[in-house]
Amino acid sequence: EVQLVESGGDLVQPGGSLRLSCAASGFTFSSYAMSWVRQAPGKGLEWVSGISGSGGSTYYADSVKGRFTISRDNSKDSLYLQMNSLRAEDTAVYYCAKGHGRDGWGNWGQGTLVTVSS
Amino acid sequence: DIQMTQSPSSLSASVGDRVTITCRASQSINNYLNWYQQKPGKAPKLLIYAASSLQSGVPSRFSGSGSGTDFTLTISSLQPEDFATYYCQQSNSTPYSFGQGTKLEIK
Repeated sequence: EVQLVESGGDLVQPGGSLRLSCAASGFTFSSYAMSWVRQAPGKGLEWVSGISGSGGSTYYADSVKGRFTISRDNSKDSLYLQMNSLRAEDTAVYYCAKGHGRDGWGNWGQGTLVTVSS
Repeated sequence: DIQMTQSPSSLSASVGDRVTITCRASQSINNYLNWYQQKPGKAPKLLIYAASSLQSGVPSRFSGSGSGTDFTLTISSLQPEDFATYYCQQSNSTPYSFGQGTKLEIK
């Protein structure tokens, strides 16, 4: 059974940094691209970033480009999202999802809440 | 970037009704269109991928159609557990984008 468990969400001040993690199990992690998708409170879904199985290719939404960095450690079956220069508008539940998204994301984590506020 | 527009934004219906939700892309996305269901406090659930393919384990009352720029999600006979918010998502090109959502409520 595929399991994705996010962690690292917290309350952080504007301009601060945070690193999210996603621990994967139940599939061959290195064989799959992975993605981050977020949802601001009471709002819709927004794709944030994606990474290839090898980690050699990364993709970002314009809203986070230059501030967020996606990475993975295939030896630890883990996905990461380093978030710098955080803004109030980055406040959201962040989900990790298995796959690139081309055929949809069939597996999601439970989400981790990031709140950016002074 | 590709913009996705869903209609309606909200919808009231009764158990047993047939319901259709529409999603329009700002440019052709071929058949790279996926549909999700989300309930409060939960992660989205994939229902339909590639416009019309039913995700494993999803009831057959859900169906999708369309290609190019216009797509529909149809629920043939609403069940109590179907009241939720539905999103379309284009996967033709990054940045992948979602529609704004359709909230399906009990009449």
